[in-house]
Amino acid sequence: AQSVTQLDSQVPVFEEAPVELRCNYSSSVSVYLFWYVQYPNQGLQLLLKYLSGSTLVESINGFEAEFNKSQTSFHLRKPSVHISDTAEYFCAVRDLKLVFGTGTRLLVSP
Amino acid sequence: KAGVTQTPRYLIKTRGQQVTLSCSPISGHRSVSWYQQTPGQGLQFLFEYFSETQRNKGNFPGRFSGRQFSNSRSEMNVSTLELGDSALYLCASSLGRQGGNTEAFFGQGTRLTVV
Repeated sequence: AQSVTQLDSQVPVFEEAPVELRCNYSSSVSVYLFWYVQYPNQGLQLLLKYLSGSTLVESINGFEAEFNKSQTSFHLRKPSVHISDTAEYFCAVRDLKLVFGTGTRLLVSP
Repeated sequence: KAGVTQTPRYLIKTRGQQVTLSCSPISGHRSVSWYQQTPGQGLQFLFEYFSETQRNKGNFPGRFSGRQFSNSRSEMNVSTLELGDSALYLCASSLGRQGGNTEAFFGQGTRLTVV
């Protein structure tokens, strides 16, 4: 069965600093990977996805993630974070269903 | 285009009661999946319905059940509620291709509190 590991439960960072949220998945022949963001008392919003093609995927709000097959990773990065990026971020892999990591809480302070 | 709609947003129930949650998927989406989110267990898959048939099922007891209607709307039912059923229940809709290359869109969830 597929599994996802998010090693960091919480990542504190100052505004305008770069950030990386780590995600590793169990290896599989076909891999479809996603990052979701959850704001307090909200559902999950799709941030970006890797289905095929270019290994570097980008979101409209400045996040990017790189699919690395050899390291079975799909880390999320942003070169400069804003206060509004404070949220919980979930990495997920999909086969017949979405399997989520335990989430990383990003805390951005001024 | 309207997103995924879950009703109600909040529910308070007593132990032993039953509850029904509703999910209306994005228009044109035929797959509806349900997830339970708790602080201790994280996000766990309950089941998926596609064209009114349960296609996949997670490891939850039989007290958790669901169904899907011909218009793709789905309901989830939990009987004989326990305190541990308190959670955020999330519904996700997708086009439903059996392969993995399809994205899922989530509703805002129903917060169930069992007292």
